[in-house]
Parts: sequence; C-alpha cells; structure tokens
Amino acid sequence: EIVLTQSPGTLSLSPGERATLSCRASQSISTSYLAWYQQKPGQAPRLLIYGASSRATGIPDRFSGSGSGTDFTLTISRLEPEDFAVYYCQQYGRSPYSFGQGTKLEIK
Amino acid sequence: EVQLVESGGGLVQPGGSLRLSCAASGFTFSSYSMNWVRQAPGKGLEWVSYISSSSSTIYYADSVKGRFTISRDNAKNSLYLQMNSLRAEDTAVYYCARSAPLRYLTDWGQGTLVTVSS
Repeated sequence: EIVLTQSPGTLSLSPGERATLSCRASQSISTSYLAWYQQKPGQAPRLLIYGASSRATGIPDRFSGSGSGTDFTLTISRLEPEDFAVYYCQQYGRSPYSFGQGTKLEIK
Repeated sequence: EVQLVESGGGLVQPGGSLRLSCAASGFTFSSYSMNWVRQAPGKGLEWVSYISSSSSTIYYADSVKGRFTISRDNAKNSLYLQMNSLRAEDTAVYYCARSAPLRYLTDWGQGTLVTVSS
C-alpha cells in the first residue's frame, strides 16, 4: 500500500500570500497518478489537479501542481479568501487508492 | 450536469448491515468507473472501493475487505455499497464519486451519514 504524507498539517497564511503544500509518497507513484482535492466545511471534495500538474476544468490558474516519483507539491500563487480550506492529495496509480491525511490552510 | 445522490445512511448497531445507494444522472453512467470514499467525523478522506464500468474490476480498502461489497446496475444508473458486520469505526459520511478513465475522482455526491452505535 502506498502511504501519502502531507505537510504541514496546518498552514497559516494571509490573503495574497503564496501557499506551498507538500505530499510525499512511501513508494514511487507510476506515471504521476497523483491528484489534489480541496474540501470546504460541510462540502464534498472538489478535484483541483490530476496527473500531478494538470488543472481540472474551471480551476483558476493560481493553482498549480508539480512533482514526480515520491515528492509532489500544490502551489497556490496568491491566496484568495475562498482558498482557505483543507487540501488532500490522492494516488490513483495502484489500489488501494490512498489519500494523504490533509493540510488545513487557515487564515492568519 | 453531473449529479450523484447518495441515500441509505442512518443509525445501525454494531454487527449490523446497511446498503447505500448512489443515483447518477447527467452522464452515461455505464461508461464510467465509480468509487466510494468515506470521511469519519472530523477526520480525513479514506478511499473505500472502486468498480469499473462493466463491474469486471473491483477493489477494496483493506479496512473493509470481506465486509463490504460494491456493485452497480447500469440499467438503473445506480451504484451500491452493501456493508455488513459494521463496526464503530465505520461511522462516517460516505461519498460516491465518479472516476475519470485514469481513475482520479472528477465528481462527488454530497454524501450520506452512517452511524454505527448501540
């Protein structure tokens, strides 16, 4: 089973700042089958990034993903108020399709 | 517009059973793989199970293997999760989610709450 470890657990930033979220895998993820999701309180998760770096439909270009192998990053270039939420990475290259434990992005 | 609507959640005693349903609309259900993902109260996401479009490929998380069964009825545009031998740790909101061909999760329902308690 591939274990995903996200860091930091909580990130406190201000609107307009840059956010960098990390996701590290216990084994190499084939063909960069790594996705990022955003979840706001009381809502279902929303797909942001797939294939490590491809933005999903309708996702603003301030969201970007990078990485390969075992190290992946989600970057939000300039935080908007609506970006404060919990972010999860998920690998879908090999079952079980595990999630990371999440990074909470909170307003400083 | 893609719509996924879960139902069937509720309160069940430990050791009991429950069957969740997910009604799909707005897309050709028979062409897409589907998943169940759960989230315990105040916790993160946990992938539970995957079923391919034709039901030929099925996967489970180790935590539910042997107790949960995923299935689908393409004629009824519906996804199911039969949950047996339920435990307190199965308490969660259960989401159904549509997979893209490469299996990332493109669309999610709003979830149904399952509470396992005596």
